[in-house]
Amino acid sequence: NAGVMQNPRHLVRRRGQEARLRCSPMKGHSHVYWYRQLPEEGLKFMVYLQKENIIDESGMPKERFSAEFPKEGPSILRIQQVVRGDSAAYFCASSPPRPAEDTQYFGPGTRLTVL
Amino acid sequence: AQSVTQLGSHVSVSEGALVLLRCNYSSSVPPYLFWYVQYPNQGLQLLLKYTSAATLVKGINGFEAEFKKSETSFHLTKPSAHMSDAAEYFCAVSDHSAGGFKTIFGAGTRLFVKA
Repeated sequence: NAGVMQNPRHLVRRRGQEARLRCSPMKGHSHVYWYRQLPEEGLKFMVYLQKENIIDESGMPKERFSAEFPKEGPSILRIQQVVRGDSAAYFCASSPPRPAEDTQYFGPGTRLTVL
Repeated sequence: AQSVTQLGSHVSVSEGALVLLRCNYSSSVPPYLFWYVQYPNQGLQLLLKYTSAATLVKGINGFEAEFKKSETSFHLTKPSAHMSDAAEYFCAVSDHSAGGFKTIFGAGTRLFVKA
């Protein structure tokens, strides 16, 4: 059973470009979470999605950031018009439909660098 | 709202010495608590979790943590440090406030192990 997969692992963008980060949850998992880790900091919750639904986006910046988890395919975190402050590691986690004891399984992350 | 405080952003121990990483939590309901480890440029690996069963929780790699409700603490220990334990460690609590759950992370403690 493959773990949570994220791609790309590293992404370089120039200011003003768009960044698309992909997350494929573990097989059988229908809940996806995105977290951001700034340099020398812990992970900060961004958004929680189920298939075709955003459940909690309280951690998402109000502008330029969006997330989706379509019926088919991976979850996408999209950052429009990136700025230097968006440089961070973005982690995706997944859990099954009835998460046992709140356990989330994390992917290896996408490290975004904005030049 | 749930929160986690990790005392000490950096901890240094000698190889073979006791490892103690401190974590205090704030939670309005019985919490689920976690310790994760992150090696450089990698994702998070679950070390152990507390889910209201035994208060002393044993995890992987010889780590364990004790849940103390009276002290709202969940400190991580290992009797004898190994060089391979050098990494960043995150304490976390699950938050159910928004109709699902998300993980709230502490700022992390970087463990250095001296030969």
